Amino acid sequence: ILNVEQSPQSLHVQEGDSTNFTCSFPSSNFYALHWYRWETAKSPEALFVMTLNGDEKKKGRISATLNTKEGYSYLYIKGSQPEDSATYLCAPRRGGADGLTFGKGTHLIIQP
Amino acid sequence: DAGVIQSPRHEVTEMGQEVTLRCKPISGHDYLFWYRQTMMRGLELLIYFNNNVPIDDSGMPEDRFSAKMPNASFSTLKIQPSEPRDSAVYFCASTRGNQPQHFGDGTRLSIL
Repeated sequence: ILNVEQSPQSLHVQEGDSTNFTCSFPSSNFYALHWYRWETAKSPEALFVMTLNGDEKKKGRISATLNTKEGYSYLYIKGSQPEDSATYLCAPRRGGADGLTFGKGTHLIIQP
Repeated sequence: DAGVIQSPRHEVTEMGQEVTLRCKPISGHDYLFWYRQTMMRGLELLIYFNNNVPIDDSGMPEDRFSAKMPNASFSTLKIQPSEPRDSAVYFCASTRGNQPQHFGDGTRLSIL
């Protein structure tokens, strides 16, 4: 079982501010890292799949970076909006295995 | 594209009864995953299939749980006999290769 840690567990951010949070995972036998956004009463929705060390992906105001050598990824949200309120999950995938191990997530609340 | 379809959306049943959860993956996807979400453990992988073949069932909690995928468009997760501690939200997800996983809306299961 992979040890996937996300921090912080929860985060309150003022509307308009930028924020970021972390996903840490074992660097050995790395294959890919997935980021998902999970709104209350809905199902997880994919944001990014990252595979290369140094990779940076962007989707609107949300971006992510990846460091496979040290085993971490950052998710950034620029100019937070109320609709960004959700739980953000990361899930690494190891080589030779197809399943994902999800972290417990960072619960983000944007305050107007 | 109809997305991943799960049924039922909600299930309430008494302890000891058999429960069957159903999933129709997105057409053309070759991987299907079953997850369970609880407050204590977050989102955990139970079992996954590749081309209808079970690949890794190490996440299945015990012998009371079983899953099948008789064809590319249908899978079931069965619990027999059910216990109160099985109460959770069960998600099905599908994907092709290393693409992001697409989740169904989940089945909220309550065992009384």
